[in-house]
Amino acid sequence: GQNIDQPTEMTATEGAIVQINCTYQTSGFNGLFWYQQHAGEAPTFLSYNVLDGLEEKGRFSSFLSRSKGYSYLLLKELQMKDSASYLCAVMDSNYQLIWGAGTKLIIKP
Amino acid sequence: DTGVSQDPRHKITKRGQNVTFRCDPISEHNRLYWYRQTLGQGPEFLTYFQNEAQLEKSRLLSDRFSAERPKGSFSTLEIQRTEQGDSAMYLCASSFGESFSGANVLTFGAGSRLTVL
Repeated sequence: GQNIDQPTEMTATEGAIVQINCTYQTSGFNGLFWYQQHAGEAPTFLSYNVLDGLEEKGRFSSFLSRSKGYSYLLLKELQMKDSASYLCAVMDSNYQLIWGAGTKLIIKP
Repeated sequence: DTGVSQDPRHKITKRGQNVTFRCDPISEHNRLYWYRQTLGQGPEFLTYFQNEAQLEKSRLLSDRFSAERPKGSFSTLEIQRTEQGDSAMYLCASSFGESFSGANVLTFGAGSRLTVL
């Protein structure tokens, strides 16, 4: 079957750095997405990786290793507004998005 | 453009009643998706349209669920004879593409929250 694993919850301190991991097993691979979702709101797009390596976008970076079926989202200089759920999703060989359950990130002052 | 709009934002209904949700995608987007999300879970795929054609429907979707996208613009999702297990957030998303590629970024609406009593 297809599976996306991410930690259920993480806690970090304002101003610090946090890394949210995602491992996947899917039938085929056409890219990996990270979305941010604040409570009660729509998921919003953060990043897309299809090749191995690190993609940097401001305070957020996303890494992919296709051979290991592994990605991480790195958030630097954490702000209180970064408190949200972070969803990892993989596009499979049928171009369907397979979603993880999300990681709830709690930022403490 | 105000993004993807969904209506109503909240719906409370009694078991056995029918409900309908509407989604207005971003105007230039040709693809429209419906997802269901419960607390602490990621979005679960329900169905997908390219223009007015419904190209895929989840096997998990019972025949009580039906979706339409007349004229390839807005879409409706109807749930007949609702059950308590239908309580969830129903998310609509849209995207643009002429052919499938991995970089198919979805823009989501804020969702319609359904509570079945």
